[in-house]
Amino acid sequence: SQQGEEDPQALSIQEGENATMNCSYKTSINNLQWYRQNSGRGLVHLILIRSNEREKHSGRLRVTLDTSKKSSSLLITASRAADTASYFCATPIIQGAQKLVFGQGTRLTINP
Amino acid sequence: GAGVSQSPRYKVAKRGQDVALRCDPISGHVSLFWYQQALGQGPEFLTYFQNEAQLDKSGLPSDRFFAERPEGSVSTLKIQRTQQEDSAVYLCASSARRSNSNQPQHFGDGTRLSIL
Repeated sequence: SQQGEEDPQALSIQEGENATMNCSYKTSINNLQWYRQNSGRGLVHLILIRSNEREKHSGRLRVTLDTSKKSSSLLITASRAADTASYFCATPIIQGAQKLVFGQGTRLTINP
Repeated sequence: GAGVSQSPRYKVAKRGQDVALRCDPISGHVSLFWYQQALGQGPEFLTYFQNEAQLDKSGLPSDRFFAERPEGSVSTLKIQRTQQEDSAVYLCASSARRSNSNQPQHFGDGTRLSIL
């Protein structure tokens, strides 16, 4: 079963525009993580935001977290063709094995 | 290499055959995970190792799936009597420390398994 749901499922924008993806989750969390997956490749960790943080930045990425609404957003500013990929949010199960529960992902296409 | 390595990258098998998928984690990483990713979906957890101990196998879909990590480094995921619904990408990930969710997982590029 999947914990999170990303919205939208697919997003197509022009190079240089900003891209915003949203994620909702169901249970209490210690942190929320965002990953990128290029076609045919594995997942690459982008950013981790802890449950006591509201916003975090990394380069052109900005992540927000609203634990009261159980939601997070990922903003990519000044998008580039190389940002074309699928983006997943993931939350670790609190007890035990730190296994990640992923959403279904947002497929982002940046048009040159 | 510096990353997680999986082999083979692609595997085609006939229904009923057994397959074995290999994962070489980042050297020194304590935790190792296997995930299954269906087309167009997010990865779903299969099993977790801390060193050589398999601490969680709650995600394995049936007793046809078996994983091991005998020396706490390389891991093998075995699927016996494969069925068409086993077709998916199998991802391996590792992380440095145990029992700490505040760290990223490092993924391999996966094995794409196709059952005919």
